This record gives sequence, C-alpha cells and structure tokens, in this order.
Amino acid sequence: AQSVSQHNHHVILSEAASLELGCNYSYGGTVNLFWYVQYPGQHLQLLLKYFSGDPLVKGIKGFEAEFIKSKFSFNLRKPSVQWSDTAEYFCAVDLGGGFKTIFGAGTRLFVKA
Amino acid sequence: NAGVTQTPKFQVLKTGQSMTLQCAQDMNHNSMYWYRQDPGMGLRLIYYSASEGTTDKGEVPNGYNVSRLNKREFSLRLESAAPSQTSVYFCASSEASQVRYSSGNTIYFGEGSWLTVV
Repeated sequence: AQSVSQHNHHVILSEAASLELGCNYSYGGTVNLFWYVQYPGQHLQLLLKYFSGDPLVKGIKGFEAEFIKSKFSFNLRKPSVQWSDTAEYFCAVDLGGGFKTIFGAGTRLFVKA
Repeated sequence: NAGVTQTPKFQVLKTGQSMTLQCAQDMNHNSMYWYRQDPGMGLRLIYYSASEGTTDKGEVPNGYNVSRLNKREFSLRLESAAPSQTSVYFCASSEASQVRYSSGNTIYFGEGSWLTVV
C-alpha cells in the first residue's frame, strides 16, 4: 500500500538553527508532493508543493523542499528557523486527481526563543 | 471569502449519541473531503465527494455517513458515536475533478472540529 513516512515526530531547535524534516513516500508512479503546516490554533495551510519542473521548490516564509525521485524523498528545509515556525508539519503525496492525497503522521517542531 | 467553514468547533457526545458535522466552502470547488486527525497518525481520509451527488469511501469510513447536499456543502454524520471516534475532524475542499483530470491540487482546510465521545 502507498504510504508517506516522516522520520521525526518531534523536533526541538533553537532559533537560528537549520531545519531539515525528512519525508519519504512509497509509490512508483507520478506524484505531486506537498508540505502543509498547522500553526497552533490555526488550520492546515499549504507551505509549498512540487508539481513538475525544478525539483527544488520554494514556499512561504523561507521554506524550501527538494524532490529526489531516486530516493522517493521530499525533504523540507529552512536555513534559519524562528520562534514563529513552531508548528506541526505534514508531508503529503497526491497519487492522482487530488482524491488520493496521503498524509504523513506529521512532525511537531518547537523552536526555542 | 471565508474559505472552508465547519461547525461545531467543539462537541462532547455520549456513547451511542448521533451528531452531524456541517461544512461549507465558498471557493466553487468540485471536491470536498472529511479527514480525521489523531496523534501520531496524521490525517486520514474518511470520505470524499468528487462532485455534487457523489461520495466515496476513504481510508477510515466505518461508523460515518456523508451527504453532499450541493456543491457548497458536505456533511459528516456519526450515527452512533463511539469513544474511538474521539478525534479532530477537518473538512476540506479542492479543485480536483473527476471529469477534468488535474494534478497538484491544493487542499484547503477548515479550522477543525474537536469531538470527544465519553
């Protein structure tokens, strides 16, 4: 069965530290990849997505993610985190048409001021 | 432009009671979804509706029913609530269409409904 794995369930960083959240998926076909973020008390919202073209995609608030097809990975990165990045981050894979979007279990990031 | 709105935001039910979660979107999206979010398990799709008048099961449909009342509204009903249905429920919508294939559809979420079954 198709699945999405996020390697870390909880991450604690100090401000200005670099961030990398891992995401791997198991599906051999064409995929569209997403990172969603849920800030405390808010609903999930799109952080960035990969559809086609340049495998390095940039999103809001300085986040970026790199699609490595050979590794079935779509890791999220940010060079320098801020306290306001404290949130839960979800990797998601759209297997086709939008009806088959599978979410990872999420990674809770806490940034210490 | 409110996006996706769902009600109620909080609800406590006794085992065996029934309730309906209401959801509406104002983005003229074709598809609507109901997810549940549980700790350590991420979001799991309960049901989805690819167009008005159609509904399909997702990953965890047991114990739930849905109605796509019109293009805007998609409700989720718990006929006989169980403690295992204690969760946060998210309604969502996207432009995805069964008629016209498109990929890379962003899903837009409501603010969530916290349901506790005791």
